[in-house]
Parts: sequence; C-alpha cells; structure tokens
Amino acid sequence: GNSVTQMEGPVTLSEEAFLTINCTYTATGYPSLFWYVQYPGEGLQLLLKATKADDKGSNKGFEATYRKETTSFHLEKGSVQVSDSAVYFCALRGEGNTPLVFGKGTRLSVIA
Amino acid sequence: EPEVTQTPSHQVTQMGQEVILRCVPISNHLYFYWYRQILGQKVEFLVSFYNNEISEKSEIFDDQFSVERPDGSNFTLKIRSTKLEDSAMYFCASSVLTSGPYEQYFGPGTRLTVT
Repeated sequence: GNSVTQMEGPVTLSEEAFLTINCTYTATGYPSLFWYVQYPGEGLQLLLKATKADDKGSNKGFEATYRKETTSFHLEKGSVQVSDSAVYFCALRGEGNTPLVFGKGTRLSVIA
Repeated sequence: EPEVTQTPSHQVTQMGQEVILRCVPISNHLYFYWYRQILGQKVEFLVSFYNNEISEKSEIFDDQFSVERPDGSNFTLKIRSTKLEDSAMYFCASSVLTSGPYEQYFGPGTRLTVT
C-alpha cells in the first residue's frame, strides 16, 4: 500500500538557519504530494502541494519539489523564523479522491 | 474564505458513553472525511463519505463508529461506547469533486478525552 516516511524529529534550529525536512514515499501510479503544518494547539493547514513529477510547490518561503526518480518530496526553507515552529506532516494521496496517507510528522523548533 | 468548522473544540466523556462529533464541511464539497490523531502520533484515516454512504473506511473504523449526514450541512461521527484509547484529536475534512486535484480541507479538530 501507499506509505510516507519522513525524518524523525525533533529538529531545533536557530532563526535564519536553512531547513530541510526529508520525505520519501511509496505509491503506485501518480500520487499527489502535500506538506501540512500544525501549529501548537491548532489543526492541520495545507502548506503546499505538487500533483505531478517535477512540480514545485511553494508557500510562505517553503518549497518542495516532486521527484519521481527518487520518490521524494523534501521540504526546504532558506531562512526559518521563530513563527515557523510547528509540526510538519508530509502526505500523499493516490489517484482519484482517495484518503490522505500521512507521515509521522516532524516537530520543528526555531529559537531566537 | 470558506472553511470547515467542527464542534465542540474539546469534549470530555466517561468510558462507555456515546459521543457525537460534528462538522460542517465547505458548502459545495461532496466528499467528507474523518481522521484522528492520537497525541504525539501520526494522523490516521478513519472513513470517507460520498453520496450519503461510506466510500472507504480503515480498520480503525469498527462497529462502534458510525457517520451520518443528517441534513444538508452537518457531517457527524458517532462513537457508540467510548474507550480510553479513543482519546485523540478528530479532524473532519472535505473536498470538492472536480477534474482537478482533489485537495482536502481540514477543520480545526475536536479533542476527545475519555476518562
């Protein structure tokens, strides 16, 4: 079945540091890929998405590129802020209107 | 911007009691979902619902769970006899059926605490 593996956390960075959170997936066909963010005490918010190979999703300075050859969708940000502290979930959805499959989440803490 | 809403935000119940979690999906959406997140763990799919019937469910969604769309706006998850291990954050999501990417929009969640 479909699955998502993302790097274990927690990740602690200083403000303005470069962020990478690795995500790889296993899926049949052509899944859509997502990053969701969960701020403390809140629900899931879609951060960015990509629906086909080589697509780059971007939002709020975050980027991720759909790499079919390496089955990866790594999340990056050039300069993190304290307000980026949250849990980040990589997710995929198979073809059609199928349920999302989530990774375990990576907690990011950014310190001033 | 339209959003998915959920009530209550926090529900405390005793083991063995029935609970109903409520969701109002985005108005033109046709697919509805429930997910749950046990504290510190990943988000897990429970059930999807389309055209007034369950379209898919996970192994977690056993006979103690049921879903219903009682009117044109609400979508509910009922847990008949709660157990301690049902304590979790429950998220409702909805998506629109189009030919484009089927993005799922999540509500803020209901935190269920079973004591």
